[in-house]
Amino acid sequence: DGGITQSPKYLFRKEGQNVTLSCEQNLNHDAMYWYRQDPGQGLRLIYYSQIVNDFQKGDIAEGYSVSREKKESFPLTVTSAQKNPTAFYLCASRGSANTGELFFGEGSRLTVL
Amino acid sequence: GESVGLHLPTLSVQEGDNSIINCAYSNSASDYFIWYKQESGKGPQFIIDIRSNMDKRQGQRVTVLLNKTVKHLSLQIAATQPGDSAVYFCAERYGGATNKLIFGTGTLLAVQP
Repeated sequence: DGGITQSPKYLFRKEGQNVTLSCEQNLNHDAMYWYRQDPGQGLRLIYYSQIVNDFQKGDIAEGYSVSREKKESFPLTVTSAQKNPTAFYLCASRGSANTGELFFGEGSRLTVL
Repeated sequence: GESVGLHLPTLSVQEGDNSIINCAYSNSASDYFIWYKQESGKGPQFIIDIRSNMDKRQGQRVTVLLNKTVKHLSLQIAATQPGDSAVYFCAERYGGATNKLIFGTGTLLAVQP
Protein backbone atom coordinates (compact mmCIF):
# COMPACT_ATOMS: atom_id res chain seq x y z
CA ASP A 1 0.00 0.00 0.00
CA GLY A 2 1.17 3.54 -0.71
CA GLY A 3 1.81 5.76 2.22
CA ILE A 4 4.21 7.30 4.66
CA THR A 5 6.08 5.18 7.17
CA GLN A 6 7.62 6.65 10.26
CA SER A 7 9.89 4.76 12.63
CA PRO A 8 10.30 4.15 15.42
CA LYS A 9 6.82 4.74 16.79
CA TYR A 10 8.19 5.20 20.31
CA LEU A 11 11.69 6.28 21.25
CA PHE A 12 13.36 7.04 24.54
CA ARG A 13 16.52 9.06 24.73
CA LYS A 14 18.87 10.19 27.42
CA GLU A 15 19.74 13.85 27.64
CA GLY A 16 22.70 14.76 25.49
CA GLN A 17 22.09 12.12 22.85
CA ASN A 18 21.20 12.72 19.24
CA VAL A 19 18.42 10.63 17.74
CA THR A 20 17.25 10.20 14.17
CA LEU A 21 13.63 9.66 13.20
CA SER A 22 12.97 7.92 9.93
CA CYS A 23 10.37 8.96 7.36
CA GLU A 24 9.88 7.01 4.13
CA GLN A 25 7.21 7.53 1.48
CA ASN A 26 6.33 5.50 -1.59
CA LEU A 27 3.84 8.02 -2.97
CA ASN A 28 6.40 9.51 -5.36
CA HIS A 29 5.80 12.90 -3.75
CA ASP A 30 8.27 15.73 -4.23
CA ALA A 31 7.65 17.71 -1.05
CA MET A 32 8.12 16.41 2.47
CA TYR A 33 7.63 18.04 5.85
CA TRP A 34 8.40 17.52 9.53
CA TYR A 35 6.07 18.82 12.21
CA ARG A 36 6.21 18.78 15.97
CA GLN A 37 3.08 18.40 18.08
CA ASP A 38 2.88 19.16 21.79
CA PRO A 39 -0.15 18.42 23.99
CA GLY A 40 -3.00 20.84 23.43
CA GLN A 41 -1.20 22.61 20.62
CA GLY A 42 -1.33 22.64 16.87
CA LEU A 43 1.38 21.33 14.58
CA ARG A 44 4.49 23.42 14.21
CA LEU A 45 6.73 23.18 11.17
CA ILE A 46 10.33 22.13 11.79
CA TYR A 47 11.78 21.62 8.30
CA TYR A 48 10.49 21.04 4.80
CA SER A 49 11.92 19.91 1.51
CA GLN A 50 10.38 20.59 -1.88
CA ILE A 51 12.86 18.57 -3.90
CA VAL A 52 15.76 16.17 -3.46
CA ASN A 53 18.95 17.71 -2.08
CA ASP A 54 17.14 20.84 -0.96
CA PHE A 55 15.42 21.76 2.31
CA GLN A 56 14.39 24.86 4.26
CA LYS A 57 13.95 25.72 7.89
CA GLY A 58 10.47 25.95 9.25
CA ASP A 59 9.29 27.92 12.26
CA ILE A 60 11.11 25.90 14.94
CA ALA A 61 14.24 24.49 13.27
CA GLU A 62 16.69 25.16 16.10
CA GLY A 63 18.11 21.94 17.52
CA TYR A 64 17.04 19.85 14.54
CA SER A 65 18.68 18.78 11.28
CA VAL A 66 17.46 16.98 8.16
CA SER A 67 18.74 15.54 4.91
CA ARG A 68 17.05 14.76 1.60
CA GLU A 69 19.39 12.52 -0.35
CA LYS A 70 16.59 10.46 -1.85
CA LYS A 71 13.11 11.44 -2.97
CA GLU A 72 11.46 8.84 -0.76
CA SER A 73 13.37 9.58 2.45
CA PHE A 74 13.47 12.60 4.76
CA PRO A 75 15.07 11.70 8.12
CA LEU A 76 14.98 14.12 11.04
CA THR A 77 17.75 14.28 13.63
CA VAL A 78 16.89 15.68 17.03
CA THR A 79 20.18 16.94 18.39
CA SER A 80 21.31 17.50 21.95
CA ALA A 81 20.94 21.23 21.26
CA GLN A 82 17.15 20.88 21.22
CA LYS A 83 16.22 22.01 24.72
CA ASN A 84 12.79 20.42 24.97
CA PRO A 85 12.73 17.46 22.59
CA THR A 86 9.97 15.41 24.20
CA ALA A 87 7.11 15.58 21.71
CA PHE A 88 5.14 13.81 19.02
CA TYR A 89 6.81 14.16 15.61
CA LEU A 90 4.87 13.95 12.38
CA CYS A 91 6.20 13.56 8.86
CA ALA A 92 4.09 14.51 5.85
CA SER A 93 4.35 14.65 2.09
CA ARG A 94 2.56 16.45 -0.74
CA GLY A 95 2.22 15.44 -4.35
CA SER A 96 2.04 18.65 -6.29
CA ALA A 97 2.01 22.39 -5.83
CA ASN A 98 -1.57 22.53 -7.07
CA THR A 99 -2.89 20.48 -4.20
CA GLY A 100 -2.67 21.60 -0.63
CA GLU A 101 -3.36 18.27 0.99
CA LEU A 102 -0.61 16.83 3.13
CA PHE A 103 -0.45 13.10 3.75
CA PHE A 104 0.76 12.30 7.25
CA GLY A 105 2.56 9.36 8.76
CA GLU A 106 1.50 7.79 12.03
CA GLY A 107 4.02 9.76 14.04
CA SER A 108 6.96 9.09 16.33
CA ARG A 109 6.76 9.82 20.03
CA LEU A 110 10.09 10.86 21.50
CA THR A 111 10.60 10.95 25.25
CA VAL A 112 13.75 12.29 26.83
CA LEU A 113 14.56 10.69 30.16
CA GLY B 1 -20.13 24.71 18.66
CA GLU B 2 -17.30 26.69 20.18
CA SER B 3 -14.97 29.06 18.45
CA VAL B 4 -11.50 27.63 18.77
CA GLY B 5 -8.86 30.06 17.62
CA LEU B 6 -5.83 29.35 19.80
CA HIS B 7 -7.62 27.21 22.41
CA LEU B 8 -8.42 23.52 22.58
CA PRO B 9 -12.07 23.31 23.58
CA THR B 10 -14.13 20.19 23.80
CA LEU B 11 -17.37 19.76 21.95
CA SER B 12 -19.62 17.08 23.35
CA VAL B 13 -22.53 15.85 21.22
CA GLN B 14 -25.02 13.03 21.29
CA GLU B 15 -24.73 10.29 18.72
CA GLY B 16 -26.92 11.13 15.76
CA ASP B 17 -26.82 14.88 16.31
CA ASN B 18 -25.08 17.30 13.96
CA SER B 19 -21.74 18.77 15.04
CA ILE B 20 -20.35 22.17 14.19
CA ILE B 21 -16.68 22.88 14.81
CA ASN B 22 -15.46 26.44 14.32
CA CYS B 23 -12.08 27.90 13.51
CA ALA B 24 -10.83 31.48 13.32
CA TYR B 25 -7.92 31.79 10.91
CA SER B 26 -5.29 34.48 10.97
CA ASN B 27 -4.15 35.48 7.50
CA SER B 28 -6.51 37.25 5.12
CA ALA B 29 -4.19 36.31 2.23
CA SER B 30 -4.49 32.56 2.85
CA ASP B 31 -5.81 30.87 -0.27
CA TYR B 32 -6.59 27.35 0.85
CA PHE B 33 -8.00 25.71 3.95
CA ILE B 34 -8.09 22.13 5.16
CA TRP B 35 -9.77 20.21 7.93
CA TYR B 36 -7.95 17.26 9.46
CA LYS B 37 -9.09 14.61 11.91
CA GLN B 38 -6.61 13.16 14.39
CA GLU B 39 -7.34 10.13 16.50
CA SER B 40 -5.35 9.57 19.65
CA GLY B 41 -1.75 8.56 18.97
CA LYS B 42 -2.13 8.72 15.20
CA GLY B 43 -1.29 11.11 12.39
CA PRO B 44 -3.87 13.59 11.07
CA GLN B 45 -6.18 12.43 8.30
CA PHE B 46 -7.52 14.70 5.59
CA ILE B 47 -11.28 15.34 5.79
CA ILE B 48 -12.13 18.11 3.39
CA ASP B 49 -10.61 21.22 1.85
CA ILE B 50 -11.82 24.48 0.36
CA ARG B 51 -10.22 27.19 -1.73
CA SER B 52 -10.64 30.86 -0.92
CA ASN B 53 -12.76 31.46 -4.04
CA MET B 54 -15.49 29.26 -2.57
CA ASP B 55 -17.71 29.68 0.47
CA LYS B 56 -19.06 26.16 0.83
CA ARG B 57 -18.03 22.65 -0.04
CA GLN B 58 -19.69 19.36 0.77
CA GLY B 59 -18.34 15.89 1.22
CA GLN B 60 -19.75 12.71 2.63
CA ARG B 61 -21.50 13.74 5.86
CA VAL B 62 -19.26 16.80 6.13
CA THR B 63 -19.61 20.39 4.96
CA VAL B 64 -17.04 23.15 5.21
CA LEU B 65 -18.13 26.79 5.25
CA LEU B 66 -15.76 29.69 4.68
CA ASN B 67 -16.51 33.28 5.64
CA LYS B 68 -13.61 35.41 4.44
CA THR B 69 -15.16 38.62 5.74
CA VAL B 70 -14.63 37.54 9.34
CA LYS B 71 -11.88 34.99 8.66
CA HIS B 72 -13.96 32.11 9.91
CA LEU B 73 -14.09 28.47 8.91
CA SER B 74 -16.48 25.82 10.13
CA LEU B 75 -16.83 22.06 9.77
CA GLN B 76 -20.26 20.54 9.98
CA ILE B 77 -20.61 16.81 10.57
CA ALA B 78 -24.04 15.33 9.98
CA ALA B 79 -25.41 12.47 12.08
CA THR B 80 -22.33 12.29 14.28
CA GLN B 81 -21.13 8.78 15.09
CA PRO B 82 -18.89 7.42 17.86
CA GLY B 83 -16.15 6.91 15.26
CA ASP B 84 -16.10 10.67 14.71
CA SER B 85 -14.63 11.19 18.17
CA ALA B 86 -11.21 12.77 17.63
CA VAL B 87 -9.39 16.09 17.60
CA TYR B 88 -10.22 18.22 14.56
CA PHE B 89 -7.74 20.74 13.20
CA CYS B 90 -8.23 23.48 10.71
CA ALA B 91 -5.23 24.63 8.67
CA GLU B 92 -4.71 27.60 6.41
CA ARG B 93 -2.15 27.78 3.64
CA TYR B 94 0.09 30.72 3.12
CA GLY B 95 3.22 30.95 0.98
CA GLY B 96 1.69 29.61 -2.22
CA ALA B 97 3.74 26.81 -3.74
CA THR B 98 5.66 26.06 -0.57
CA ASN B 99 2.39 24.88 0.93
CA LYS B 100 3.28 26.04 4.40
CA LEU B 101 0.29 25.36 6.57
CA ILE B 102 -0.67 27.11 9.79
CA PHE B 103 -2.55 24.73 12.05
CA GLY B 104 -5.04 25.67 14.70
CA THR B 105 -4.78 24.04 18.11
CA GLY B 106 -7.75 21.82 17.46
CA THR B 107 -11.12 20.91 18.95
CA LEU B 108 -11.80 17.66 20.72
CA LEU B 109 -15.09 16.17 19.56
CA ALA B 110 -16.57 13.74 22.07
CA VAL B 111 -19.55 11.74 20.85
CA GLN B 112 -21.82 10.40 23.59
CA PRO B 113 -23.68 7.16 22.80
